[in-house]
Amino acid sequence: QVQLQESGPGLVKPSETLSLTCTVSGGSISSYFWSWIRQPAGKGLEWIGRIYTNENTNYNPSLKSRVTLSVDTSKNQFSLKLSSVTAADTAVYYCARETTSVGSPYYFDYWGQGTLVTVSS
Amino acid sequence: DIVMTQSPDSLAVSLGERATINCKSSQSVLYSSNNKNYLAWYQQRPGQPPKLLIYWASTRESGVPDRFSGSGSGTDFTLTISSLQAEDVAVYYCQQYYTTPRTFGQGTKLEIK
Repeated sequence: QVQLQESGPGLVKPSETLSLTCTVSGGSISSYFWSWIRQPAGKGLEWIGRIYTNENTNYNPSLKSRVTLSVDTSKNQFSLKLSSVTAADTAVYYCARETTSVGSPYYFDYWGQGTLVTVSS
Repeated sequence: DIVMTQSPDSLAVSLGERATINCKSSQSVLYSSNNKNYLAWYQQRPGQPPKLLIYWASTRESGVPDRFSGSGSGTDFTLTISSLQAEDVAVYYCQQYYTTPRTFGQGTKLEIK
């Protein structure tokens, strides 16, 4: 059974960079698309971006200028960096896997439990 | 971006009754080459991550009770719970995977009447 676990600081100061890592267990990170999705308290889901294990990335245009995704296949991990954060970036951040068939990504079949990141001084 | 709009925003249904949630996309998510609708439904219980219920608009994920069903094509979709159970209290989201950015509906909060 594939499991995803987010890790990283729960508190980030305004203007600094938010950094999170997702560790994948129970399966290989290879040949799948891996996404970050966030959810402010009481609100809906926003897709941040995704990375394939060949390091190809797609970003949400609304966040593209501030987001960097990376992958470390040797550690079965992928990571998110979001720069110049403000209070509006306070949210639960989820990592998720897009089920992939013949190299094409589809729906999210596995999700991490989520980690709350608060932006505050 | 494809905008996903759900209705209603909230819904209260009696135990054992039918619940219906609608989702409309701003453009078709039907891929003509394979005649598949790139639409999924998720359930999010309080304090939990979203859980995949339905994909390809109408295919139930393994382990999902058969009281959950999805229908629709093109731009208009429906999630139906045929007989509401207490454990179905949650927020439900539709999501398109036709293109990037991936987008979700705003969510529908389902409660017991």
